[in-house]
This record gives sequence, structure tokens and C-alpha cells, in this order.
Amino acid sequence: ETGVTQTPRHLVMGMTNKKSLKCEQHLGHNAMYWYKQSAKKPLELMFVYNFKEQTENNSVPSRFSPECPNSSHLFLHLHTLQPEDSALYLCASSALASSYNEQFFGPGTRLTVL
Amino acid sequence: EDKVVQSPLSLVVHEGDTVTLNCSYEVTNFRSLLWYKQEKKAPTFLFMLTSSGIEKKSGRLSSILDKKELFSILNITATQTGDSAVYLCAVVTQGGSEKLVFGKGTKLTVNP
Repeated sequence: ETGVTQTPRHLVMGMTNKKSLKCEQHLGHNAMYWYKQSAKKPLELMFVYNFKEQTENNSVPSRFSPECPNSSHLFLHLHTLQPEDSALYLCASSALASSYNEQFFGPGTRLTVL
Repeated sequence: EDKVVQSPLSLVVHEGDTVTLNCSYEVTNFRSLLWYKQEKKAPTFLFMLTSSGIEKKSGRLSSILDKKELFSILNITATQTGDSAVYLCAVVTQGGSEKLVFGKGTKLTVNP
């Protein structure tokens, strides 16, 4: 158990649906991250939150909308996605932002967009 | 455009073999290079390298960075089946906006 949990573990949605991915960390960390891992493409850092404030948004389309209500929870709200958005979405946390050598990753949500 | 290239993309070896995984990069404002091991889904951190020529070592794994030639290698000696995984290399860039750029990974399979 890594201390970072993600729900759901698998999600299938249509292009007109709205869904949310949830991440929770039990490590007392202050920074949380969303990553996207598509088949045959490099892992991509999407968003970074530090003390609930978004510090990085790496040119992610607006159909992905993150929310960080507190340092322990991170959401990724999804709406009008495209089939190419099908991927593994990984959440991670670290004590401080940019502490990539101290990140703990969650198990991921496997998303399929039909 | 910042780029991280890993080679080979996949590798199959037998237990006991030694392997070398390569990571080359072209980025502006390099800050550090990281290696991760990804089994199933969640990556786990292996090494962070910031200085050239200083080997980092953990058990049978070691890594070194060459900032002049812009590459890093990850060595695994006496491989075991438990080393089978995808090994990811990533570079952190500094500047106005920090970025983390990943390579596509090397899939290592260690057969008994």
C-alpha cells in the first residue's frame, strides 16, 4: 500500500459523459500531481498543486479540470473527452512541490473513452 | 522542444545477465535527471542525478550522468526476474516554468 489511493481503478465513459477521478493521500504531503500515461507515449505531467494552489498546468486541454480542495485530496473532472484521452491517469504526492525524487504514486485509473 | 530518448525500447535477458539502459536528452535549462521503475502501474523512484560523473548506487542498480554528452545510463547487474519492469527516465528543467519530461521507457524482461 503506497499511501496514495485512486478511485475508480477503471472507468469507461462516452464522449458526452461527465466523470471525476479521485486521488487521496494519507502521507501528510503538501504537493499533489496528475499524470497521463498513454500507450506508446511518454508519461506526461498534467497538473501540479502545492498547498492546494495550482502551480503547473502543462498545456492541458480544458476538458480536463483539476480540483484540490485540501492537501489530501485531488480530483480530475472530465467532460466531453475524446477517444485519444483513453489512458492511465496517475496521481502522485510529495512533501514539497518539485520533490520528484520523493514522489509516491497511486495505482492509477485506467480510463477508456468510447 | 525538450526531448528525452531512451534505448533500447525493449530488452529480453536471462537471469544473471548485466544490462545497461540508456537515456539521452536535449532540454533547455537542465536541472536533474531521474530514473523510475514501473511494474504494473505505479512508478517507483530509483535515482536522481544532478552532477556529472558521480555514480549513484543501490544494491545491484547503479546510474551515472554525463552532462557534457547529455546522457545517463542505468546499470543492473546479476539481473533477477523481479527486475522485469519498464524503466523510465525523466529530466527536470528549470526556468520560468519548471517541466518534467519523460522518455518512453525501456521494457526489461528477465527470463529465468
